[in-house]
Amino acid sequence: NAGVTQTPKFQVLKTGQSMTLQCAQDMNHNSMYWYRQDPGMGLRLIYYSASEGTTDKGEVPNGYNVSRLNKREFSLRLESAAPSQTSVYFCASSATGTDNEQFFGPGTRLTVL
Amino acid sequence: EDQVTQSPEALRLQEGESSSLNCSYTVSGLRGLFWYRQDPGKGPEFLFTLYSAGEEKEKERLKATLTKKESFLHITAPKPEDSATYLCAVFTSGTYKYIFGTGTRLKVLA
Repeated sequence: NAGVTQTPKFQVLKTGQSMTLQCAQDMNHNSMYWYRQDPGMGLRLIYYSASEGTTDKGEVPNGYNVSRLNKREFSLRLESAAPSQTSVYFCASSATGTDNEQFFGPGTRLTVL
Repeated sequence: EDQVTQSPEALRLQEGESSSLNCSYTVSGLRGLFWYRQDPGKGPEFLFTLYSAGEEKEKERLKATLTKKESFLHITAPKPEDSATYLCAVFTSGTYKYIFGTGTRLKVLA
């Protein structure tokens, strides 16, 4: 039981390049989330998927797209990376029900030059 | 606007010196308040969920309490391994969104 896994762990991009962050969970959770964490800003929600087949914008969605590929997988894509997207990205999942705790992956540390 | 504020930003304690971390919130309808622990370079790890004022939960040296305006995470006789950032988050009515505070960085010195 791996919980929530994320790939890659580290990534360096040049401005304008694109990339996809992958996330998978093996806990049969319905809801999945993407956050970014910046110093002094706390965790901010980028996008979330309440259930398979649905996605919605969070607090800071600009510059990102997501795909809920199936119940297990939720990917985050940066189409044209910008230095402002340098951050640590966390994927999380939670069981059915809107008041359940979230389980987080280990994070992806992204630097955009 | 829904808001979560944690204090202090950082706290240094001697081993065995008990203290409390604060999480104050202003939300339209609280569905749950969560405490997480985050170690450097890792994702947050769930500690507690509190649902209603007056509720308390304990785990080893940690005890979380909830009022209508704030939550406290009490740390009794802390050890160096309790050093981490502690995050508070709220989940509000009518949304699927969690709102996180910026955390309290706790350092326990041996």
